[in-house]
Amino acid sequence: GDSVTQMEGPVTLSEEAFLTINCTYTATGYPSLFWYVQYPGEGLQLLLKATKADDKGSNKGFEATYRKETTSFHLEKGSVQVSDSAVYFCALPGGYNKLIFGAGTRLAVHP
Amino acid sequence: NAGVTQTPKFRVLKTGQSMTLLCAQDMNHEYMYWYRQDPGMGLRLIHYSVGEGTTAKGEVPDGYNVSRLKKQNFLLGLESAAPSQTSVYFCASSYDRTYQPQHFGDGTRLSIL
Repeated sequence: GDSVTQMEGPVTLSEEAFLTINCTYTATGYPSLFWYVQYPGEGLQLLLKATKADDKGSNKGFEATYRKETTSFHLEKGSVQVSDSAVYFCALPGGYNKLIFGAGTRLAVHP
Repeated sequence: NAGVTQTPKFRVLKTGQSMTLLCAQDMNHEYMYWYRQDPGMGLRLIHYSVGEGTTAKGEVPDGYNVSRLKKQNFLLGLESAAPSQTSVYFCASSYDRTYQPQHFGDGTRLSIL
């Protein structure tokens, strides 16, 4: 069945460092792909999405490109801030509007 | 804008006790979902509803029941709580099957002793 695999965390970076969180997927066809973010004590929020191959989703300085050749949707940010510390989830639709989530990657950014 | 509201936020139960988690959304969304979040496993779908009066099983439905008597509310029940149900529970809603994103509540942290 469809699935999402994320790199294991935690990822620990210094402020202004470059961030990459890897996400690969297995799916039939070319589904939409999503990145959600969960800040401490809160629910998940959609960070960005891409609906077709080669699309680039972007928001709040984060970017991810839908690459069908490598079935990947890696999340990147050029310069992270302490406020970016959160858990990041890659996800794809799992039929009937359900979402299939990766295990999540915790990011900790230090000053 | 309340969005999705979950009550309670925290609860501790003893094994065998029952309880109901309430989810309310004020966005007139048709679709509602209950997920559980466990360390290293992401979110897993427990049950979902595609409209008032309908419910369906998700990935991990055993030990839970749900009801959607009103469009804005989606209740998750544990009839006889077990330690394996210790988790953080999230409710979400969405407009329809093509509209994303799902909107999430802030979660309910449930501990079963």
